[in-house]
This record gives sequence, C-alpha cells and structure tokens, in this order.
Amino acid sequence: RKEVEQDPGPFNVPEGATVAFNCTYSNSASQSFFWYRQDCRKEPKLLMSVYSSGNEDGRFTAQLNRASQYISLLIRDSKLSDSATYLCVLGNFNKFYFGSGTKLNVKP
Amino acid sequence: ETGVTQTPRHLVMGMTNKKSLKCEQHLGHNAMYWYKQSAKKPLELMFVYNFKEQTENNSVPSRFSPECPNSSHLFLHLHTLQPEDSALYLCASSQVQRGGRDTGELFFGEGSRLTVL
Repeated sequence: RKEVEQDPGPFNVPEGATVAFNCTYSNSASQSFFWYRQDCRKEPKLLMSVYSSGNEDGRFTAQLNRASQYISLLIRDSKLSDSATYLCVLGNFNKFYFGSGTKLNVKP
Repeated sequence: ETGVTQTPRHLVMGMTNKKSLKCEQHLGHNAMYWYKQSAKKPLELMFVYNFKEQTENNSVPSRFSPECPNSSHLFLHLHTLQPEDSALYLCASSQVQRGGRDTGELFFGEGSRLTVL
C-alpha cells in the first residue's frame, strides 16, 4: 500500500468554482502534513501546512482527520492561476512522503 | 539569493559520462535531500543527510553517489547512467530537531533536468 494516495484528476472546473481534494495516508504515526503546489516543469512549493484543528489561508482551507487518516484541501472562488498539480505531503521525523498529485485545471 | 540553488539546471549526458549535480542551501537548515521526479510518478526520495550524515539511502543504485561535505552543500555524482535515469532531480532542505523529529517543511531547489542518451 502506498504511503500517500491521491486522486490524480484532472479536475476541470470553471473560474469561481469551489473544488476539494482529498488525500489518504497509511502511516498513523505521521507527524506533519502539508499541501504543496507544483506548476508545470517547476519545483514543488509549500502551499500550506495542515494542522489538526484545520486551518485557512485566504481561499484555501485544509483539514486533517487523524482518525480516518485523510487530509483535504478546499479551494474557493477558483482562479485561472490556481491551475497546477497539488501534492499531499506527510512528514515523519526526517522523511517526507509525497502523493502523486492531483491536477487542477481552472478554465475561463 | 534564493533559498536552495541547484546547478546545472539542465544536463545531457551519455551513458559512459561522469557528471555531478550540485545543491547549495542558504537557509541554515541541517537536513538536505535528493529526490527524483519522473514523468507521471510521485517524487521518489533518494538520499537524506542530517547534520552531514547520511541517514537514508532509499535503495538507490550505486551509479548515483551522494556527497555532503557540509550542512550547506550536497552533491549527486552520476556515473554510467541509463536512459531510464532521465528525470528531474530535486534537492531540498529542511530544519530537523535533534533526535530526528521533523519540525518544518521542505524547501526545494528549481531542479536539475537530466537527460541520458
């Protein structure tokens, strides 16, 4: 079983839509959780950390459910510039495990 | 100056060549990583260095040889590679507490795109 599983998509949504991604993980001992964004042919960049109580950063909301071992990312009012691949990442001590990414296409 | 810099950005080499990828981090972090990203695959962890000591070798073939002379620099020496080794090689750094508990996110360099002919 993979450490981190994500729906690869693509998710094709119109501008202004709300879109949600989920990610499940297998290691219950995972310590840290993140969402990264990767644009085509670029390096991954941190979008936001995910905290147990849930956290919000502008149009982005992240949730963590340790009991069910999943993480979610909600994007409200999608912009064209949100088009990218979103990577779910788990940190455990000095190791980071990446999902294969969910591709989002926001269309005019 | 960007946090993590990698050189070269692009590299084309033959299967008998020897080349090296270089990574430098300016963030004062104590852990550095090499990842491989192939098309349509998740990032694969190759090597981890904590406080200049290698703590992870994720079953990487010996044709890839890492070197970490200090906590700011990381190299990946390449020798007799195969065409299937063509990929984007990403260096990253993070700050790890003593005892290995992760405290922060990974910061990536822009990557070295390698093509093996």
